[in-house]
Amino acid sequence: QSVLTQPPSVSAAPGQKVTISCSGSSSNIGNNYVSWYQQLPGTAPKLLIYENNKRPSGIPDRFSGSQSGTSATLGITGLQTGDEADYYCVTWDTNLRVVIFGGGTKLTVL
Amino acid sequence: EAQLVESGGGLVQPGGSLRLSCAASGFTFSNHWMDWVRQVPGKGLVWVARINTDGSDTSHADSVKGRFTISRDNAKNTLYLQMNSLRTEDTAVYFCAKDRGYDAMDVWGQGTTVTVSS
Repeated sequence: QSVLTQPPSVSAAPGQKVTISCSGSSSNIGNNYVSWYQQLPGTAPKLLIYENNKRPSGIPDRFSGSQSGTSATLGITGLQTGDEADYYCVTWDTNLRVVIFGGGTKLTVL
Repeated sequence: EAQLVESGGGLVQPGGSLRLSCAASGFTFSNHWMDWVRQVPGKGLVWVARINTDGSDTSHADSVKGRFTISRDNAKNTLYLQMNSLRTEDTAVYFCAKDRGYDAMDVWGQGTTVTVSS
């Protein structure tokens, strides 16, 4: 069980919006940047969001990130069937001195 | 274009050793921290180890500490993961990743599969 808590699954219809939460503590999310990754089936993860809310070049603005206190959120608008994937939050834990991944959230676009 | 290519995976018996390599191209390898991340098929991603730019500072997950060692050769643009005393629970796909800063991994390899079984 990960130090970062994500919902196991979320779902929404095409065109709709979904949010994925990532809950941690003051030793990780509360004092360190969060990044988010998308992993399509059978592929390597892809960076979607870094430093809480920044998007790498090539990532559409349908993807957004935010952080408040000890939680972070990934938002996806205008859902497409191609967004069906597993999504992971990642941060550094200052006390454990390790990088930690959330348990992952499976997004289903109905 | 930045690229990472892992190699060295395979089948090994419990207690055995394996060295994974990750060849980097398309970016200045020596300027970036690097990570290893693994994934058991059907399960989530798990961070394994990290190394700073010149190899003088490393971190390892508790689950592999004392058994795995991350290292790098900047002259060869290559990252390594030496895995000793392998256990069945180390069976996974191993990815190397480039860290752009603050734990954001922006380039990933395709992964190499390690199977620990008798």
